[in-house]
Amino acid sequence: QKEVEQNSGPLSVPEGAIASLNCTYSDRGSQSFFWYRQYSGKSPELIMSIYSNGDKEDGRFTAQLNKASQYVSLLIRDSQPSDSATYLCAVNRGGSTLGRLYFGRGTQLTVWP
Amino acid sequence: SAVISQKPSRDICQRGTSLTIQCQVDSQVTMMFWYRQQPGQSLTLIATANQGSEATYESGFVIDKFPISRPNLTFSTLTVSNMSPEDSSIYLCSVTPGGARGEQYFGPGTRLTVT
Repeated sequence: QKEVEQNSGPLSVPEGAIASLNCTYSDRGSQSFFWYRQYSGKSPELIMSIYSNGDKEDGRFTAQLNKASQYVSLLIRDSQPSDSATYLCAVNRGGSTLGRLYFGRGTQLTVWP
Repeated sequence: SAVISQKPSRDICQRGTSLTIQCQVDSQVTMMFWYRQQPGQSLTLIATANQGSEATYESGFVIDKFPISRPNLTFSTLTVSNMSPEDSSIYLCSVTPGGARGEQYFGPGTRLTVT
C-alpha cells in the first residue's frame, strides 16, 4: 500500500464549479498534511496546511481532515482556469521520519471556461 | 516561508560527466531536502541534508552517485555523478523554515538533460 494515494484524475470541471481533490494516507500516526499546487514546468507551491480534524478555509480553498478515516481533501470553490494545475497531497508522519514528507502522485485539474 | 534559489536552472550534459547543483536559502534552516521529479511523475526524495551531519539517503539512492554537501545553514549542493540518460529529470531542493510545522518550500528546480 502506498503511503499517500490520490484520486488519479485527470479531473475536469467548468469555470465556477467546485473541484474536489481527495487523498488517503496509510500511517495513522501522521501529524501534518499539506496540499501543493504545481503548474506545468514549475516547482510545487504550498497552498494549504492542516493539522487537526475538521475544515480549514483560506479564500476559495478549503482543506478537510478526517484522521479517523485517514482522509484529506481539498475543495476549490468558484474554480478558475488559473487553477488548472497538478495538486499534490503530502503527509508528514512525524516521529523518526522527522521532516520527511510523503507525496501522492498528484491529481491533474483542468478548469475549462 | 523562505526564498530559495537554485543554480543552474537547466543544463544539458553528456553521459559520464557530473553536475553540481547549488541551493541557496535567504534564511538559516536546519532541514534541507533534495528531490527528483521525472517527467509526468510525482516527487521522489533523494536525501535529507541537515547541517552538521551526513546526509540521509532514501532507498535506491547512494552517496557515490548523489554526493551532498551542507556546509552551512543557508546552502547545500547536490552532485549527480557519472550521469546517464536515466538521470534526466528535474532536481528540486526544499527547506523547512524554523518554526514551521513541517511545511516545505521548494526552490525553482534544475532541469537536467543527459545526452
